[in-house]
Amino acid sequence: NAGVTQTPKFQVLKTGQSMTLQCAQDMNHNSMYWYRQDPGMGLRLIYYSASEGTTDKGEVPNGYNVSRLNKREFSLRLESAAPSQTSVYFCASSEYGTGNQPQHFGDGTRLSIL
Amino acid sequence: DAKTTQPNSMESNEEEPVHLPCNHSTISGTDYIHWYRQLPSQGPEYVIHGLTSNVNNRMASLAIAEDRKSSTLILHRATLRDAAVYYCILRDYEGGTTSGTYKYIFGTGTRLKVLA
Repeated sequence: NAGVTQTPKFQVLKTGQSMTLQCAQDMNHNSMYWYRQDPGMGLRLIYYSASEGTTDKGEVPNGYNVSRLNKREFSLRLESAAPSQTSVYFCASSEYGTGNQPQHFGDGTRLSIL
Repeated sequence: DAKTTQPNSMESNEEEPVHLPCNHSTISGTDYIHWYRQLPSQGPEYVIHGLTSNVNNRMASLAIAEDRKSSTLILHRATLRDAAVYYCILRDYEGGTTSGTYKYIFGTGTRLKVLA
């Protein structure tokens, strides 16, 4: 079972470039999430999708957009990358967005912006 | 803000039990307590979760205080592979009255060091 798959695993961008991070899950989960993790810190929620066709902002949405392409896929886009967005990005999914069910995480995308 | 409080770091000897504490004094009656761990260069990994009763699985045990204001994750025999950051998490609500979702708030967790 693949679980949650993120691509790419690593990326280096220049300031002002755009990029889309891809995430797919094969567990038929309804809810999906994007987090970022800065060095020495816990994860912070960027955007989430409670169900197919819906997306909403989390704690730190500025500078990002998302698309819930279908039930399986949830992408995160940086329109104009800034050095402050250098981070590790994690995608996660859960069966429902009740907060009482486990979330399954991908292995992350390590993004550096110069 | 994180709704849980954990020690920043702990050490354990290999093959010995480890008790990782967590305080969550503002927990509501319907909130489960979740534990995740994050190994270096990996995403968080689900460990265990529970509501009121103590819970056991192949990875760990979760002991929940009777008043539910604290809990303890128990690793029965620590191995070097258990060295990780352990997060104790409650859900938090994000959104308005008509739409939203529950989400996790990650604090900084407890960094567990296992000594050979």
